[in-house]
Amino acid sequence: SQQGEEDPQALSIQEGENATMNCSYKTSINNLQWYRQNSGRGLVHLILIRSNEREKHSGRLRVTLDTSKKSSSLLITASRAADTASYFCATDALAGRRALTFGSGTRLQVQP
Amino acid sequence: DAGVIQSPRHEVTEMGQEVTLRCKPISGHDYLFWYRQTMMRGLELLIYFNNNVPIDDSGMPEDRFSAKMPNASFSTLKIQPSEPRDSAVYFCASSLTARWETQYFGPGTRLLVL
Repeated sequence: SQQGEEDPQALSIQEGENATMNCSYKTSINNLQWYRQNSGRGLVHLILIRSNEREKHSGRLRVTLDTSKKSSSLLITASRAADTASYFCATDALAGRRALTFGSGTRLQVQP
Repeated sequence: DAGVIQSPRHEVTEMGQEVTLRCKPISGHDYLFWYRQTMMRGLELLIYFNNNVPIDDSGMPEDRFSAKMPNASFSTLKIQPSEPRDSAVYFCASSLTARWETQYFGPGTRLLVL
């Protein structure tokens, strides 16, 4: 089963509004990452938050991590039409050799 | 840097044919990953290499799939024989120092097996 699962599966908002996406995972992690994928393109790394961090900012992005609840959220403020994409969380397993496991993604549609 | 380079970008083939996908990672990156993305199964890790050595191939679906990394700047993913259910987008990614660090993805190869 997936290590990370995003919620909601799809989100449609108006330009200028904020978008919040959530990710839940199952096992202890080193870090959690968020990626964006535009239609027909490869994934692009947005932000990495380590297990000992609770919040991180990058431009209009804000990521939180709650290791006690095994969950993370990605907030995009003042959204733009160009933010339309799928957003994936990715987690690693603290133990073992497995590399990143990606969730099924949230499809964000920002209406101009 | 040019980023991760994949070729071909699109491949259409007939069932039973051999398919070879190619990847050039970012120079200096120690890790290389192969993924497959489909609507049904999402993004799946197939195999990854560290310093050209395969570390975890537990995601390779079956013996028809094989991957090699003969040197630090080149990797191939081969499917022989191909089947329609192999149709997907195949991504290559690389990372600098660790399996859990930031990964840089190529543009992908869209494979259609008829």
